[in-house]
Amino acid sequence: GAGVSQSPSNKVTEKGKDVELRCDPISGHTALYWYRQSLGQGLEFLIYFQGNSAPDKSGLPSDRFSAERTGGSVSTLTIQRTQQEDSAVYLCASSLKRGATNEKLFFGSGTQLSVL
Amino acid sequence: GQSLEQPSEVTAVEGAIVQINCTYQTSGFYGLSWYQQHDGGAPTFLSYNALDGLEETGRFSSFLSRSDSYGYLLLQELQMKDSASYFCAPSRGNTPLVFGKGTRLSVIA
Repeated sequence: GAGVSQSPSNKVTEKGKDVELRCDPISGHTALYWYRQSLGQGLEFLIYFQGNSAPDKSGLPSDRFSAERTGGSVSTLTIQRTQQEDSAVYLCASSLKRGATNEKLFFGSGTQLSVL
Repeated sequence: GQSLEQPSEVTAVEGAIVQINCTYQTSGFYGLSWYQQHDGGAPTFLSYNALDGLEETGRFSSFLSRSDSYGYLLLQELQMKDSASYFCAPSRGNTPLVFGKGTRLSVIA
């Protein structure tokens, strides 16, 4: 597609349920990021995929969070046993990463997750 | 490790000039990026500095001093639509891009 696509745009769930958030990056982009943004706050790094390398999971806040990237393209962020503090906008971004050169991230519109 | 500092809020008058500073401490520094995010919107790329000095793109300019671990974003001829949050992000080569907490710019008439 022309841009980074995320679905769903909004997700309301009950505490304790599992949720899956999807990201479809720009075709050909090798790097894919997940960030979390709480209301009025900055961008909190969660996880990073670069090509076929092992993902950088250093930003995941707990073991309830996991992510996969299948075939080097689509990514799914899974949150198990959701808690109210998980409520936030989850942003996905991709880039045509080429080593250490200028990396320009393209963001999706995000998924607004509300845990009741 | 890495640390970033930006002012949390800045207010400026329409038509004026505003400077948003960013100081960082990071190993393996390669360059500094700036992103803009309007309320309810996705962050969008503004500029990238790999070398010291000023990069100009229309009304926006970005400056970098690697020796001082410091950069700034300069917005000229401010317009109401420039009200947004601005994030700096130092890049460290083949590592994930980590953002500062952002500066919320309010442009007033």
